[in-house]
Amino acid sequence: EAGVVQSPRYKIIEKKQPVAFWCNPISGHNTLYWYRQNLGQGPELLIRYENEEAVDDSQLPKDRFSAERLKGVDSTLKIQPAELGDSAVYLCASSLAGWGRPNEKLFFGSGTQLSVL
Amino acid sequence: QKEVEQNSGPLSVPEGAIASLNCTYSDRVSQSFFWYRQYSGKSPELIMSIYSNGDKEDGRFTAQLNKASQYVSLLIRDSQPSDSATYLCAVNDANSKLTFGKGITLSVRP
Repeated sequence: EAGVVQSPRYKIIEKKQPVAFWCNPISGHNTLYWYRQNLGQGPELLIRYENEEAVDDSQLPKDRFSAERLKGVDSTLKIQPAELGDSAVYLCASSLAGWGRPNEKLFFGSGTQLSVL
Repeated sequence: QKEVEQNSGPLSVPEGAIASLNCTYSDRVSQSFFWYRQYSGKSPELIMSIYSNGDKEDGRFTAQLNKASQYVSLLIRDSQPSDSATYLCAVNDANSKLTFGKGITLSVRP
């Protein structure tokens, strides 16, 4: 069975340009997460979906970041315009977790390494 | 703001030794606890989960949880060079919001 699939693997852009990341979760996983990981730090949650509903986007910088999960399957995270400080690894994860199901495990994709020049 | 603290590190141990990795968390109602291993340039992979007080063993790995002290640890017995990686502690609340610590980098010397 395929794991969490992310693309692209690497992206280099100039500041003020837009960028988009795509994620396809493990089949049947209702919960999808986007994390950002800066060098030497742990992953920080940007947004969490249960099916197509964003249940936690409190840490998503909404002035420049947007995300969608149409049909409750794959998801896209967008940054427009990108800033130098957005350089990081963007990780997508999926799970069977949800309210009342905290023991379910997260499975991560390979991530997208973004460099903003 | 819920916090997960991993303040010790980096950690260096000789091959064959026991590596002890520690983590504390701030949210008393945290439900489940995970240890992820992350090799350089790779994504995190789950190695241990623990949900109740006490010890849980899986091969060379033992997770320990003490909810009263809000403390979770990971012991790696007979450490191998292949165990060299960053170990991330992660804590889940009842709403499945998973919060990660910053990680501890372990180096196992041959």
